[in-house]
Amino acid sequence: AQSVTQPDIHITVSEGASLELRCNYSYGATPYLFWYVQSPGQGLQLLLKYFSGDTLVQGIKGFEAEFKRSQSSFNLRKPSVHWSDAAEYFCAVGARNQGGKLIFGQGTELSVKP
Amino acid sequence: EAQVTQNPRYLITVTGKKLTVTCSQNMNHEYMSWYRQDPGLGLRQIYYSMNVEVTDKGDVPEGYKVSRKEKRNFPLILESPSPNQTSLYFCASSTGLAGGLAKNIQYFGAGTRLSVL
Repeated sequence: AQSVTQPDIHITVSEGASLELRCNYSYGATPYLFWYVQSPGQGLQLLLKYFSGDTLVQGIKGFEAEFKRSQSSFNLRKPSVHWSDAAEYFCAVGARNQGGKLIFGQGTELSVKP
Repeated sequence: EAQVTQNPRYLITVTGKKLTVTCSQNMNHEYMSWYRQDPGLGLRQIYYSMNVEVTDKGDVPEGYKVSRKEKRNFPLILESPSPNQTSLYFCASSTGLAGGLAKNIQYFGAGTRLSVL
């Protein structure tokens, strides 16, 4: 069955520190993968996506993610976190059936210390 | 501006009182979907529609109905709401797989926070 796991429910980092949010997926075919961010009281905004090709993808707001097929992972990284990055982050895998629905992980809440 | 609009943003109701949450998109997208978000569970798909008059169940359809009479609108109907439907609801739209995988980006509304007492 298709699934996405985000092992960390809550992460706290200091402003200016680096960040890595973990995402592992289970999918029978070649996946296409997404990271979304949800700021408090807001909808979901797409940070970046992977469909094929270069396994290191760049997104908005200085985020990047690396697809590692051997580890079934798609971890999100940022070299220097800003206070405005505090939000909830969702990893998702796109299904190739059902019109391309998204299967989401449980989410990781990021807090940023001054 | 391309957007998905949900109304209302906040809703408090009582058990058994029928309600409708509207969703409208202005991108001429074929695919629309409803998700609910609950703590620790992420977002789960309720229903989806691949085109006008074509709808199907997602992962958690019980207690919900949808309709797709026009391409731009995809309302979510709770005929007899219960407290376990208290949640944050999101509508999303995309081109669907017909546009190719690379174009199948889902755009989300701002969400509707529903409380059923």
